Amino acid sequence: SQTIHQWPATLVQPVGSPLSLECTVEGTSNPNLYWYRQAAGRGLQLLFYSVGIGQISSEVPQNLSASRPQDRQFILSSKKLLLSDSGFYLCAYTRGTMNTEAFFGQGTRLTVV
Amino acid sequence: GDSVTQMEGPVTLSEEAFLTINCTYTATGYPSLFWYVQYPGEGLQLLLKATKADDKGSNKGFEATYRKETTSFHLEKGSVQVSDSAVYFCALSVRAGGGNKLTFGTGTQLKVEL
Repeated sequence: SQTIHQWPATLVQPVGSPLSLECTVEGTSNPNLYWYRQAAGRGLQLLFYSVGIGQISSEVPQNLSASRPQDRQFILSSKKLLLSDSGFYLCAYTRGTMNTEAFFGQGTRLTVV
Repeated sequence: GDSVTQMEGPVTLSEEAFLTINCTYTATGYPSLFWYVQYPGEGLQLLLKATKADDKGSNKGFEATYRKETTSFHLEKGSVQVSDSAVYFCALSVRAGGGNKLTFGTGTQLKVEL
């Protein structure tokens, strides 16, 4: 079976500190991977997506970056967090064709203080 | 760029009322279209999908028809139940960079009351 793991579930970080959120997928190879931020009134904002190792597409300019060091690993990072980075972050994957269902991780609630 | 526009919520209905949640899209190329649902305290899950013009996706009494001429994918249900209370997201998927890019709308909260 396919599963997606995302951690941590919650995180409180001071302004200016670094960030690393990790997402891993099991049970499928060469998935398309996504990072979204879910905010009230703005729905699911696509931040980054990746179609393969080392291939990252950025959708919005921001203080965050993403990396895909392995086929089923997707990392969301920041060197210095801002207050505006607070939010709920979701990782998702699809199995590589545009007609297939997306599966979501449980999300990370990030609070920057 | 690719985008999805949904009607703003919350939408509040009485049980057994008819539901329509509007969704229109802009896409480069020929997208597949989806509706996802997020029940309170849960993650997003696929509700239904349509992959080409005039296709109708359906599930749990919900339906949506892919209308290429109006670039729309409106969600409908003939008789809603309290258990349908959730946030509904319209989404599209297009080919991009050798894979697919999945874009969501802002979500529409539905509240169904007795």
